[in-house]
Amino acid sequence: GEDVEQSLFLSVREGDSSVINCTYTDSSSTYLYWYKQEPGAGLQLLTYIFSNMDMKQDQRLTVLLNKKDKHLSLRIADTQTGDSAIYFCAATNYGGSQGNLIFGKGTKLSVKP
Amino acid sequence: DAGVIQSPRHEVTEMGQEVTLRCKPISGHDYLFWYRQTMMRGLELLIYFNNNVPIDDSGMPEDRFSAKMPNASFSTLKIQPSEPRDSAVYFCAWGRGLYNEQFFGPGTRLTVL
Repeated sequence: GEDVEQSLFLSVREGDSSVINCTYTDSSSTYLYWYKQEPGAGLQLLTYIFSNMDMKQDQRLTVLLNKKDKHLSLRIADTQTGDSAIYFCAATNYGGSQGNLIFGKGTKLSVKP
Repeated sequence: DAGVIQSPRHEVTEMGQEVTLRCKPISGHDYLFWYRQTMMRGLELLIYFNNNVPIDDSGMPEDRFSAKMPNASFSTLKIQPSEPRDSAVYFCAWGRGLYNEQFFGPGTRLTVL
């Protein structure tokens, strides 16, 4: 089955760019997501990308997808202290079981002033 | 949080007691998911429903866990009897099944002493 891997921690300085990486194993994954979880809160959908896209930009967020390497990244430009949170990568295969949204273990982003 | 009300937000109980977690998603969803989050195991899918019918409960850890969805706007997750290893944050999420995106509630933090 699908497996999604992420590094557990990332530390950056305020104003720098953050890049959070994710790899997945199922080449048939058609939708890939980034979720953000702030302390004491649920997961918040940040953005998603379809497998027929290479890049998606949404304000400070840029998602890059390398299907050949099964690699997904989330770049946050001009990182702010409010961006400190845990970021989850998730993958699914639309058309299959609607429940198989597979999450990585999350990357904890710490932003230092 | 994304149109999902979970109650209680915090629950502290003693081992052996019955625990009932509640979820009220917004109307118009197709899917309802229950997740458990711990530091050790990350985010685990317990069970999900499609149009109020349980589709996949393979993630339910034991027979002590049960979930129901009597109507489209209410679901419960019950643990009977509870054990200390059940301590976790339990999330309810809804999905429309269009792009498999899911929208999470704020979670219930369960502590079993």
